[in-house]
Amino acid sequence: AQSVAQPEDQVNVAEGNPLTVKCTYSVSGNPYLFWYVQYPNRGLQFLLKYITGDNLVKGSYGFEAEFNKSQTSFHLKKPSALVSDSALYFCAVENNQGGKLIFGQGTELSVKP
Amino acid sequence: DTGVSQNPRHKITKRGQNVTFRCDPISEHNRLYWYRQTLGQGPEFLTYFQNEAQLEKSRLLSDRFSAERPKGSFSTLEIQRTEQGDSAMYLCASSLNRQGNTFGSGTRLTVV
Repeated sequence: AQSVAQPEDQVNVAEGNPLTVKCTYSVSGNPYLFWYVQYPNRGLQFLLKYITGDNLVKGSYGFEAEFNKSQTSFHLKKPSALVSDSALYFCAVENNQGGKLIFGQGTELSVKP
Repeated sequence: DTGVSQNPRHKITKRGQNVTFRCDPISEHNRLYWYRQTLGQGPEFLTYFQNEAQLEKSRLLSDRFSAERPKGSFSTLEIQRTEQGDSAMYLCASSLNRQGNTFGSGTRLTVV
């Protein structure tokens, strides 16, 4: 069965410091992997995706993620965090048949000035 | 293209009442998905359509839940005889084949 794990419920970072939000996955075959961000009482906004090709994927708002097949990980990164990056972040894997997404439990990112 | 639109944004209903939510996907997207999200959790898949055909339903979708996409465009999700446990954010998403899901802002249901 496909699954996604986000081992950290919360990540705290000082503004200007690099941030990492961790994600590991379990899937048969080649994974389609995604990161979404959610602000309070809002839907999910797409950040980036990995389907194939370069293991380092660049996305919206300066975020990037590194696909590591051997470690089955897809960690989200940003070189310099902003207070406005504070939100809930979800990693997801796409089902290889219907296209539905299977989500991790989410990581709350808090960036302090 | 105004993105995925969901109505209403908020719904408060008494236990036992029926509620219906609407989702208007991105016009060229052939797939439409419904998810449910409870506080502190990631969204959980409920059902999806390819065009007008409902191709998969989660075991989370009890008999009280029904979804339709009659002309392959907008979709409705109806919950009959609502229970307090149905309180959640209901998210709709659409995609063009396997290109990732674009989400609406969701409908927050509160059952009192």
